[in-house]
Amino acid sequence: GQNIDQPTEMTATEGAIVQINCTYQTSGFNGLFWYQQHAGEAPTFLSYNVLDGLEEKGRFSSFLSRSKGYSYLLLKELQMKDSASYLCAVMDSNYQLIWGAGTKLIIKP
Amino acid sequence: TAGITQAPTSQILAAGRSMTLRCTQDMRHNAMYWYRQDLGLGLRLIHYSNTAGTTGKGEVPDGYSVSRANTDDFPLTLASAVPSQTSVYFCASSDSGALAEQFFGPGTRLTVL
Repeated sequence: GQNIDQPTEMTATEGAIVQINCTYQTSGFNGLFWYQQHAGEAPTFLSYNVLDGLEEKGRFSSFLSRSKGYSYLLLKELQMKDSASYLCAVMDSNYQLIWGAGTKLIIKP
Repeated sequence: TAGITQAPTSQILAAGRSMTLRCTQDMRHNAMYWYRQDLGLGLRLIHYSNTAGTTGKGEVPDGYSVSRANTDDFPLTLASAVPSQTSVYFCASSDSGALAEQFFGPGTRLTVL
């Protein structure tokens, strides 16, 4: 079966760095997406990785290792507004997105 | 720019009744999707449409139907609602190409009693 695993919840301190991991087992791989979802709102796109390595976009970076079925989202200089759920999703061989349950990130002052 | 809109925002529905959730996008995206999101589970694809006039089944299509008469609209119909269909429903769209990011509507919170 297809499976996306990510931690249920993480806590970090304002100004610090946090890494959210995602491991996946899917039928085929056509890229990995990270989305941010604030409580009661819609998911919004953060990043896309299809090749191994690190993609940096401002305070957010995303890493992919296809051989390990592993990705992480790195958030630097955490701000209170970063409190949200972070969703990992993999596009499978049918070009459909398989979603993880999300990681709820709590930022403390 | 409105982007992608959904209606209603929320709804309480008696079991056995039918209901149509509306979704409209103004980005001229070819592909549209319907997901449901339940606590502790990832978004699950219900139905999708790669272009106007075509639809396909996702992971959890039973009890739902869709149509795609034009590019902008992608309604989701529950023919006879059951309590297990209580969920938050998100509509999304993406540009041509399977690898394009998806843009999500604000969601419809549906409670079936």
